Parts: sequence; structure tokens; C-alpha cells
Amino acid sequence: ETGVTQTPRHLVMGMTNKKSLKCEQHLGHNAMYWYKQSAKKPLELMFVYSLEERVENNSVPSRFSPECPNSSHLFLHLHTLQPEDSALYLCASSQFAGREAADTQYFGPGTRLTVL
Amino acid sequence: TQLLEQSPQFLSIQEGENLTVYCNSSSVFSSLQWYRQEPGEGPVLLVTVVTGGEVKKLKRLTFQFGDARKDSSLHITAAQPGDTGLYLCAGAFGGFKTIFGAGTRLFVKA
Repeated sequence: ETGVTQTPRHLVMGMTNKKSLKCEQHLGHNAMYWYKQSAKKPLELMFVYSLEERVENNSVPSRFSPECPNSSHLFLHLHTLQPEDSALYLCASSQFAGREAADTQYFGPGTRLTVL
Repeated sequence: TQLLEQSPQFLSIQEGENLTVYCNSSSVFSSLQWYRQEPGEGPVLLVTVVTGGEVKKLKRLTFQFGDARKDSSLHITAAQPGDTGLYLCAGAFGGFKTIFGAGTRLFVKA
């Protein structure tokens, strides 16, 4: 596997279910991100992890719970979601090299989530 | 609030035509990225520009970063149906902070 992979690619869940999204990066990067992409809206940053520590949490509801066990893996645990949480969830990674560096992010293919 | 405005939002053209997509902000970026995204897939990086005034070419695609590093353009020459997709610009401030435009949806008809 190369680049950034995400599983599952598609997920349908009820509002009372608990599920997890998985992301794995094979680029040797030290930062990983979760984004939400809804129709006709810019990508919304949810969480950022650098060296397995959460460095950004953009006012995301607690029904979304991230986990970063190591620099290559990132999870997003979901529970009691709402229909408006239906969206494409994208994982990205980058090599953080300092504040002034051009930290280009590389994206996975996304998980299309539908909450019924 | 930092915003990155892309225009046009939607573009439908014939194969062989030229087009330009714009990305504008009042913020100064340390770098700017252009991505292309196809339905059901994640954004794929096309280019990163870092220096004000920089021009980069990728086959029929020409990317320019404004002198003040606040804006950018993507020009496609002789568009082909394979160019169809959502084009996203992203402005990076260094570190982890990046903002994204809402995208330009391009449809190239054969």
C-alpha cells in the first residue's frame, strides 16, 4: 500500500450505532488530520495529531472521538451520530517541519458516511 | 475569519477550450496547494507553490502564485474530458493550519 488509505470506503449507520473509521499513512509523515467534507462547503478541519498528540480540536461534538495510537494510524470513533453528520470524512497526513515550512497535506480516498 | 474564495464555482466548457480558475484571500500564505478531486475520492495534490510570483507548469496546467502570496490562479490549456473534476485550492499558514476554498467544479464536454 502506498500513500494514505482509509477504511471503510462506505458506511451506513443508525443514530444509535457505534462505528470507527480507520486511516493509515505510508508516507513516513508525523502529522495526521481528520476533515469533514459536506456538499458545496469547504473542507472542515476536525482534528490534528502531531507525533501522536492532539494539537487541534476545532469545536467538534463529543460524538466524534479521535485516536492516534502511533504516527501511522488514526481512528475516528463515532457514536450516537445525527443525520446531519452524513458527509465524506477525509484523512490527511503531512510532514511537519516547523511553523514556516510548506506542510503540504496528502489525502486518503475518504469514507462516505450516511447516518439514518 | 480567514477565507479563501474560489471562482467560478462551476464551469462547463467544450473540449479544446482554455479556462482559468481563481483563488483569492486577504490573508498571506506561506504556501498554497491546488488539488483535484473526483466524485467519491479524496483530493489529489497537483502542485504546491511557495514563492510570491512563482509559476509552475504541469503539462497543460499552469499555476501562478500572486506576488503578495494572497492569491493564485490555475490555467488549463486545451481542456480535455479527463480534466473534469472538482479543483480545490488550499492556503497554508505554516504548521498545521490550512484553509480550503469551496472548490470549482469543472465539466469538460467531448
